[in-house]
Amino acid sequence: RKEVEQDPGPFNVPEGATVAFNCTYSNSASQSFFWYRQDCRKEPKLLMSVYSSGNEDGRFTAQLNRASQYISLLIRDSKLSDSATYLCVVTNTGGFKTIFGAGTRLFVKA
Amino acid sequence: GAVVSQHPSWVICKSGTSVKIECRSLDFQATTMFWYRQFPKQSLMLMATSNEGSKATYEQGVEKDKFLINHASLTLSTLTVTSAHPEDSSFYICSADTGLAGRDWNEQFFGPGTRLTVL
Repeated sequence: RKEVEQDPGPFNVPEGATVAFNCTYSNSASQSFFWYRQDCRKEPKLLMSVYSSGNEDGRFTAQLNRASQYISLLIRDSKLSDSATYLCVVTNTGGFKTIFGAGTRLFVKA
Repeated sequence: GAVVSQHPSWVICKSGTSVKIECRSLDFQATTMFWYRQFPKQSLMLMATSNEGSKATYEQGVEKDKFLINHASLTLSTLTVTSAHPEDSSFYICSADTGLAGRDWNEQFFGPGTRLTVL
């Protein structure tokens, strides 16, 4: 089993749609969680951190469920510019090991 | 935000040659840098963790004699792919840790990546 697993995608949605991605992790000792965005042939960029209390940044909402060991990302009112690969990232403290999910591809169409 | 550069951005080489990739933190000092590799449609895979002034820590399955890492200063880490073969063709990305004290985790800033094609 992979340490971090994501929805395989791709997700094809129209502009204005709401789309949700899920990610599960296997190490219960994982400490920090993030969503990164990666455009084609570019480096990943931090989209947002994920906290147990949930956090929102504009159209993006991230949630963490430690009991079930999953993380979610919700994108509301999708824009064409949201088309990218979204990477779920989990970091274990102490070992300072960062593990990336395989990514979920999103295509937003006009 | 902090800036990390990589050079070259892409390289094409013949099988058997060695290729050096540089990773620089431009406006901050990075005690720790990371090297990742990404094959098409796959996730980033951590290859090694590079600490300034000490030997790199390699992930399981990564040959340290093939992927030589040198972290000579707080702003520069290099990855040398020795005797490259077509199966080494990949997207190599480095990242640098800001190393801010008192935080459980420090954001990693990624370089733009280097696309290596071995013929």
